[in-house]
Amino acid sequence: GEDVEQSLFLSVREGDSSVINCTYTDSSSTYLYWYKQEPGAGLQLLTYIFSNMDMKQDQRLTVLLNKKDKHLSLRIADTQTGDSAIYFCAVPSSNTGKLIFGQGTTLQVKP
Amino acid sequence: DAGVIQSPRHEVTEMGQEVTLRCKPISGHDYLFWYRQTMMRGLELLIYFNNNVPIDDSGMPEDRFSAKMPNASFSTLKIQPSEPRDSAVYFCASSWDRVRTPLHFGNGTRLTVT
Repeated sequence: GEDVEQSLFLSVREGDSSVINCTYTDSSSTYLYWYKQEPGAGLQLLTYIFSNMDMKQDQRLTVLLNKKDKHLSLRIADTQTGDSAIYFCAVPSSNTGKLIFGQGTTLQVKP
Repeated sequence: DAGVIQSPRHEVTEMGQEVTLRCKPISGHDYLFWYRQTMMRGLELLIYFNNNVPIDDSGMPEDRFSAKMPNASFSTLKIQPSEPRDSAVYFCASSWDRVRTPLHFGNGTRLTVT
């Protein structure tokens, strides 16, 4: 079946760049998403990329998509303590049409 | 827009009791999803509705779980009887489309079954 994998934990220093990676086994030709979850809250849409794009930049966020390797990444420039959260990638399955979420990457930002 | 509204935010109940979780989706969204989040299993899709009709309930763990959507602005997820292993955060989400538009999540209901 389809699978979406993320590393579970990333720790960076304030001001550094963070790169969160996601690999998937299957995707339909539509949008791939990054969500952010802060403690005690639901998932918030952070950014997204259409499957025919390689890169999307949105202020401090850069999304890279390598369709050949089925690899999605999220880069946060100048990481701040307020960026500390869990980050989920979500990929639509071409088989079921459902959105498949990764396990989430906990980003810890040290001052 | 107020976003997706879930109630209650926290629910503590004893094993064997009935639990009802509530959700009000964003007005105009045709799709409504119920997810469960635990440390062990991550985020699991339980069921989703399109235009108030249940489309896929393959993620509902057991017959103890049921979900309804009587109208476009309200949905419930019921667990009867509840068990300690049902303890989790339950999220409701809504969207215009199943995958081509982003999901908008509520803040969740944290359920603790003792």
